[in-house]
Parts: sequence; C-alpha cells; structure tokens
Amino acid sequence: AQSVSQHNHHVILSEAASLELGCNYSYGGTVNLFWYVQYPGQHLQLLLKYFSGDPLVKGIKGFEAEFIKSKFSFNLRKPSVQWSDTAEYFCAVNDNFNKFYFGSGTKLNVKP
Amino acid sequence: DGGITQSPKYLFRKEGQNVTLSCEQNLNHDAMYWYRQDPGQGLRLIYYSQIVNDFQKGDIAEGYSVSREKKESFPLTVTSAQKNPTAFYLCASTPRGQTTNEKLFFGSGTQLSVL
Repeated sequence: AQSVSQHNHHVILSEAASLELGCNYSYGGTVNLFWYVQYPGQHLQLLLKYFSGDPLVKGIKGFEAEFIKSKFSFNLRKPSVQWSDTAEYFCAVNDNFNKFYFGSGTKLNVKP
Repeated sequence: DGGITQSPKYLFRKEGQNVTLSCEQNLNHDAMYWYRQDPGQGLRLIYYSQIVNDFQKGDIAEGYSVSREKKESFPLTVTSAQKNPTAFYLCASTPRGQTTNEKLFFGSGTQLSVL
C-alpha cells in the first residue's frame, strides 16, 4: 500500500504570512496528486490536483503546489494567507487502481 | 442539486450491536468509497466499489461490511467485530471506476460513537 506523509500536524500563522505545507508519498509508479481542504463544518473539497504536464499547479483561492518527482513531494504553498484559510488540509495520492490514499492532515490556524 | 447524502449525521452504537451507515449519490458516479477519519490519522480507506455488485477491501476493512446492489447506494455496516468504531465516517464517489484521474466528491459524514 502507498503511504502519504504530511510533516506538519498543526500550523499557526498570522495573516499575510507565507504558507508551505509538506507532502511526501511512497509510490514509485505514475500517480495523480491532490490537495483537499476541509473548512470548519464543511465537506472536504478539492483545492488542486496534478495529473501530468507543468509540475507547478495552481488551485483555487491563490493556492499552488509543486510536484517534484525526484523527491516524491507535492508541497502546498500560498504567498499570503488569510484568516479564511483556517482549515484542515489533506494531501492525497491516487494510484493505478483508482484508490485514493490520504495523509494525516495539517490543521492551519490563521490569526487575524 | 446533485450530491452525496450520508445519514444519519450522528449515530450511537451499543456494545455488540451492528449499525449501518447510509450513503446515496445522485451524481451517476460509478465508483464509491468509504473512509474513516480519526484525529491525527487522516482518512483511511475501508472499502471501495468500482462498479455495481463489486467491491474491494481497503486498508482497514476488518469489522466492516458493504454492499453495492445499486449504483447510487453504498451502505456500510459496522459490525460488533469492530472494537474501536468511534470515528467520523466519510463516503465519497468518483465519476468513472476505471479511470485514475478523477477527484473525489465527499458526503458530509456520519459521526459514530459507542455508548
């Protein structure tokens, strides 16, 4: 089975600070990579995804992620966070069998 | 509106009791999934189904059972064999079971607690 590691379990930032959340996966084959976000009291929703092509992908709300194949990484970034970005963020990988594997999640608290 | 409906929102189980969590989707999706979410552990796959009348075990299937008799329905039964059932259960779906690049659509979840 694949594994997905998220290094930061809880991150606290002030508004306008820059954000980078780490994600590493274990599968050596072709993968599709995702970041999902869960705002308080809401469904999990897709933030961005990478299938192929440009390794720098842009998602909603100013988020972006970079796929570095040699490092098996797919880190999430945002140059300037807002209070409304307070949420839990999950990295996920989808293998050739259409199984999705999730990381343990990172809780982000943005102080106004 | 199309989407995934999970019910009930909260469920309590007594010792030795089987309980069934409902998941219904009207998105015409082929593949459906059940995940368990525990604090600090993220989402772990319990069972998934790529097409009707077929399903596969995920990473933590012990103590759970599913059925997929209809495309739109994928109920999860938490049996008495599951010794630590307290968790948040999420149902999800994707449009086509045989492709590998579709995002997951999630339901709103069911919180199961043991009395």
